[in-house]
Amino acid sequence: QKEVEQDPGPLSVPEGAIVSLNCTYSNSAFQYFMWYRQYSRKGPELLMYTYSSGNKEDGRFTAQVDKSSKYISLFIRDSQPSDSATYLCAMGTSSASKIIFGSGTRLSIRP
Amino acid sequence: EAGVAQSPRYKIIEKRQSVAFWCNPISGHATLYWYQQILGQGPKLLIQFQNNGVVDDSQLPKDRFSAERLKGVDSTLKIQPAKLEDSAVYLCASSSRRGEGTNEKLFFGSGTQLSVL
Repeated sequence: QKEVEQDPGPLSVPEGAIVSLNCTYSNSAFQYFMWYRQYSRKGPELLMYTYSSGNKEDGRFTAQVDKSSKYISLFIRDSQPSDSATYLCAMGTSSASKIIFGSGTRLSIRP
Repeated sequence: EAGVAQSPRYKIIEKRQSVAFWCNPISGHATLYWYQQILGQGPKLLIQFQNNGVVDDSQLPKDRFSAERLKGVDSTLKIQPAKLEDSAVYLCASSSRRGEGTNEKLFFGSGTQLSVL
């Protein structure tokens, strides 16, 4: 079993829709949870950063962490064609420096 | 603020040849990472430096891969000899991590796309 599981998609939704992206994990020691966005031929860029459980909102983006279920989500409201990219979840522990990435979900927003 | 710089952007070589990638991190970032991203997969950590010392190289294939970070700034990653399965994007990232247990926010370069024929 992989430490971090992410549905690769692709996921295609119409402009303006609410998008839900998810990851599950197996290592209960993970405490830092990140979402990165990666455009084609570019490096990943950090979108959201959450410590432990709970919600975090930043503009149209909301990150949720449920440590009891080992499940994290990223919601995108009022999705735009410019949101079309691959979204990678990533996680780390407090005592180790290694960040583990999911395989990424390719998202396409149709105009 | 300038981002993480990597070169070259693309490289095509034949198997058994050698190749080197260069990375210049964000100024002041003590931690530097090399990741390998195979098509359709997430980045996999190859090696992590804190200043010019190696923190983690557990997933670096040391029989063919080597990396160094001179003077705690620039870094080079080398593959010798290359295999077909080394075809991937090699990403460099840096962070301003200040110590054990602190936040890790990685800033990535655009990567070097390597094709081994």
